[in-house]
Amino acid sequence: DVKVTQSSRYLVKRTGEKVFLECVQDMDHENMFWYRQDPGLGLRLIYFSYDVKMKEKGDIPEGYSVSREKKERFSLILESASTNQTSMYLCASHPSGIGELFFGEGSRLTVL
Amino acid sequence: QKEVEQNSGPLSVPEGAIASLNCTYSDRGSQSFFWYRQYSGKSPELIMFIYSNGDKEDGRFTAQLNKASQYVSLLIRDSQPSDSATYLCAVRDTGRRALTFGSGTRLQVQP
Repeated sequence: DVKVTQSSRYLVKRTGEKVFLECVQDMDHENMFWYRQDPGLGLRLIYFSYDVKMKEKGDIPEGYSVSREKKERFSLILESASTNQTSMYLCASHPSGIGELFFGEGSRLTVL
Repeated sequence: QKEVEQNSGPLSVPEGAIASLNCTYSDRGSQSFFWYRQYSGKSPELIMFIYSNGDKEDGRFTAQLNKASQYVSLLIRDSQPSDSATYLCAVRDTGRRALTFGSGTRLQVQP
């Protein structure tokens, strides 16, 4: 079975803290994505990676960075968390070519 | 920025009825179209995808695609209370690996 695992389901952080969200997939997929989901706004793409050490900005990359040192792992980094980054963060992966995205269970981040 | 539009709902239908969910998209060159279901507090799960104009059926679900009019719809026959969820329409735009999502339509099936 396809498996995308996000390290933390719930996190509470303080404004200004550095936050790491980790995502691991076991399907040998080339492409990995980070989305955030907010009520009424749907899923918005933050960053994606199409290969190890390769990344591209999505639609809302400001305030975020990413790291992909190994094919199976894609990390989202909030260098200095702010309250407007309180959200549900969803990691997804996808093999090359056409086809669906496979989602992790999500990480709900609250920044106080 | 490419857009995918959905009515936020809630769409309320009685048990056993047909639920019709609609989605329009802005990129005429979009290649593939997906319907995801998302229960509250859970991550999206794929219901079905469609690439070609026309209808595609899978059990109680039918996806309909009309590229000329730039809309895609999902029909759910014999709706069940367990179908109550938010339905997300997603589109893969030309030359893009990621999917662009609509904001979702909340469906409520009344017993």
